[in-house]
This record gives sequence, structure tokens and C-alpha cells, in this order.
Amino acid sequence: ETGVTQSPTHLIKTRGQQVTLRCSSQSGHNTVSWYQQALGQGPQFIFQYYREEENGRGNFPPRFSGLQFPNYSSELNVNALELDDSALYLCASSLGVGGPRNEQFFGPGTRLTVL
Amino acid sequence: GQQVMQIPQYQHVQEGEDFTTYCNSSTTLSNIQWYKQRPGGHPVFLIQLVKSGEVKKQKRLTFQFGEAKKNSSLHITATQTTDVGTYFCAGPVDSNYQLIWGAGTKLIIKP
Repeated sequence: ETGVTQSPTHLIKTRGQQVTLRCSSQSGHNTVSWYQQALGQGPQFIFQYYREEENGRGNFPPRFSGLQFPNYSSELNVNALELDDSALYLCASSLGVGGPRNEQFFGPGTRLTVL
Repeated sequence: GQQVMQIPQYQHVQEGEDFTTYCNSSTTLSNIQWYKQRPGGHPVFLIQLVKSGEVKKQKRLTFQFGEAKKNSSLHITATQTTDVGTYFCAGPVDSNYQLIWGAGTKLIIKP
């Protein structure tokens, strides 16, 4: 059973650019959630995908968008990067969207720096 | 909006001392989850509590869920260096089970 993987590990972009981050969910998991974690803070929910459909969104602007593919892997796209977008971006997979087994399994994260 | 508050922000302890972090939600939670994040790492799931008044133990870690399902605590007995990290609580928003997270409590072992 493979765990959650994310790519790239680190990324440096300049303000105004666009970025795509990728995530492969744990085998058998059909739900992927994306989080932004600023230094010293808890993860902030961006959005969640369940069976290729967006299943809820946190308080993030439309320039944060995502996709989930038939194999349940996922992408996070951020357009028009701002300095405040610098953070650790975490992907978490889970089995389903509720009930007793919605514990989330996190990938190692992508550290994004916007200059 | 719904908030999950966690205190303290930091706790410095001597190795062997106990550690406790507290989590309070502004609304009733259907369940609460606890995660540990080591320095430079990613959150790792520890446990989920579902029932009112539930208490669960994992070796030296004791997790409690309040009777009103609005607060929770994690207590570590006799801390060890391997316990170092930040402990987060997280609870689901409404019926979609999207998690809202506390700010975390960082456990620091004094040298």
C-alpha cells in the first residue's frame, strides 16, 4: 500500500506567476483535501474533492482551483501568485467524506515560496 | 463562523514531565481528531473520538472528548524526546466533514 505523495517538494515562484501542485492519494482512497499551512499555524482547508467533484471549499479566492482525476490523484492550481501564498501546501487523502473512517493521511507537502 | 481554539500555543517541559493541550470548539462537533506534526514534517493522524465523554488511551497518551462534544484534551504522561512536535485537534464543519483545525500546541523539551 503506497502512501500519499506530492510533487514537487519545493518550488520558488515570483509574484503574478501560476503554479500547479500534484498529489497522488493513498491506494484505495477516493477523497483528497488540500490545505495551506503558514509557518507556525494550523492547516487551513482550501477544498476537497470526492470522486472527481469539488465537495466543499474553504475561504480561499477563485484563483485557487483544483482537479481530481479518475485515479483519484489531484492537482492544486494557483493563479496570479501573491507573496502571502508562500506556505506549505498539504494534500490529504481519506476514504469517503464522513463517518468513523475519515481520518486523513497527509503527504509530505510542497513548500512554495513566492518572491 | 465555526472556530476551534487550542491552548496553550507552546509548552516547555522537562523530559519526564507531563504535557496537556486543550481544544475548544464554538459549536458541537460530531467527532474530533488529533494529529501530531514533527518539526519539518507533515501531520500524522493519532486518533478520532466520536462519543460524548469518550476517553481513549494510546500508551502514554490519553485523549478525552467532553460531555457536550465541544471540547477535548490530549494528555501525555512522562514526556520523552520522541514526543516533540506540534499537536493539533481538528473537527468537521457541518455535515461535509471538512476539517477545521486548531492552531496547535507545540511541545518543547527543555535541554
